[in-house]
Amino acid sequence: NAGVTQTPKFQVLKTGQSMTLQCAQDMNHEYMSWYRQDPGMGLRLIHYSVGAGITDQGEVPNGYNVSRSTTEDFPLRLLSAAPSQTSVYFCASSYASDNSPLHFGNGTRLTVT
Amino acid sequence: AQKVTQAQTEISVVEKEDVTLDCVYETRDTTYYLFWYKQPPSGELVFLIRRNSFDEQNEISGRYSWNFQKSTSSFNFTITASQVVDSAVYFCALSEASGGSYIPTFGRGTSLIVHP
Repeated sequence: NAGVTQTPKFQVLKTGQSMTLQCAQDMNHEYMSWYRQDPGMGLRLIHYSVGAGITDQGEVPNGYNVSRSTTEDFPLRLLSAAPSQTSVYFCASSYASDNSPLHFGNGTRLTVT
Repeated sequence: AQKVTQAQTEISVVEKEDVTLDCVYETRDTTYYLFWYKQPPSGELVFLIRRNSFDEQNEISGRYSWNFQKSTSSFNFTITASQVVDSAVYFCALSEASGGSYIPTFGRGTSLIVHP
C-alpha cells in the first residue's frame, strides 16, 4: 500500500544547483502531476503527464523539467535552482477518468538559499 | 482570472460552532467536476468529496455537508459542530472536460482554525 512516494522529504539547495525530486506510484495510474504550494497561493500545477512518454506544461512550468519514461515514475528536475523555487512540492496521481480524485505524495519541502 | 475562488483566507471558530467554507468556480464547460481536499497540520492532502456538474444533490457525510448550486457556481462546504481535529487548510478544486486531461485547478485554500 505504498501509494505515491516522494523523495526526499526535505532539501536545501544553493542558488544555481540542480536536483531531481523523485515521485513514484504503484497504483498503475495514468495521470501524474506536480504541484507547488506557496503561502496564500494554493496548489499550482507545474507539469503533468497523461501517460508514459507524454508530458505537458501547467500553470508555472518555468525552471522545471519532467519526463515520464514509465507509468510508475515522474521525476521533477530543477536545472538551476533559484530562491523563488523555495516551496513545498507535491506529486499526485490518478486514473484517467473524468472524476478520479488525486492521490498525493507527502510532499517535499525545498529551500533554495 | 481565477477559476476557483476561495475568498475566505482564514476562518477561526470555537469548538461546536458550525462553519461554512465557500467555493466559487468559473467554467464554460457543461461537464466538469468539483472536489474538496483537506490538508491537516501534518501536511498531507486528503480527498474529501467529488461532485459532477450533472448532480446537484447536496451530500452529507457525518458532520460534513456540501451544497452544490450551479445557478451561483458555488460548491460550499459546511462542518457542523466543529471539532479541534477539523483544523486544517481546505482546498476546493475544479476539473474541466475541455482539453481532455482533467487535471484539476485548485483554489488558494481556506485555513480553518477550531479553538477548544
